[in-house]
Amino acid sequence: DGGITQSPKYLFRKEGQNVTLSCEQNLNHDAMYWYRQDPGQGLRLIYYSQIVNDFQKGDIAEGYSVSREKKESFPLTVTSAQKNPTAFYLCASSGTGDQPQHFGDGTRLSIL
Amino acid sequence: GDSVTQMEGPVTLSEEAFLTINCTYTATGYPSLFWYVQYPGEGLQLLLKATKADDKGSNKGFEATYRKETTSFHLEKGSVQVSDSAVYFCALDTGRRALTFGSGTRLQVQP
Repeated sequence: DGGITQSPKYLFRKEGQNVTLSCEQNLNHDAMYWYRQDPGQGLRLIYYSQIVNDFQKGDIAEGYSVSREKKESFPLTVTSAQKNPTAFYLCASSGTGDQPQHFGDGTRLSIL
Repeated sequence: GDSVTQMEGPVTLSEEAFLTINCTYTATGYPSLFWYVQYPGEGLQLLLKATKADDKGSNKGFEATYRKETTSFHLEKGSVQVSDSAVYFCALDTGRRALTFGSGTRLQVQP
């Protein structure tokens, strides 16, 4: 079945540590996105990529980094510069035209 | 900039009650409009969409009509079930970047 796989489902970060969240899709979508969701709030855009080897900052990119070396993969690194990383992180992808975004099941990141 | 405003929750209803969740938007151009649903601990699932004025999106008994004159896309269902309990997000897409989401509305349906 086609879809988006995020891993791990739960992740814990120690102070000063970088952690990487995985996002893989087999939908052959060109565009991929990372959102952050805080309790009781909507989704805020961290980074997005519309094509391989290219990505753009979203509204809250500080303290995060991404890469897009393959069409299927768009990993997100939460760096130690992100002082409040505890949140639910959602990855999405979309095809061309009016195609809606498809979402993974998310990764919940917490601080130890 | 683009924005989406949803009614605050939680919305608490009894089973078989009528549901309305209000959504209004601000955007340049002619965005596509979406409703997504999120069940506890999961990602978002597309519920319905509309791509132009007066379009009606529908799915699983839910409906929403794209009203350009009132910049609204209210979600309705005639008879809710306990299984409809979730968080509902209204979103718009202008095609320039990524989706712009509302803050979400939690629906609780009691038996």
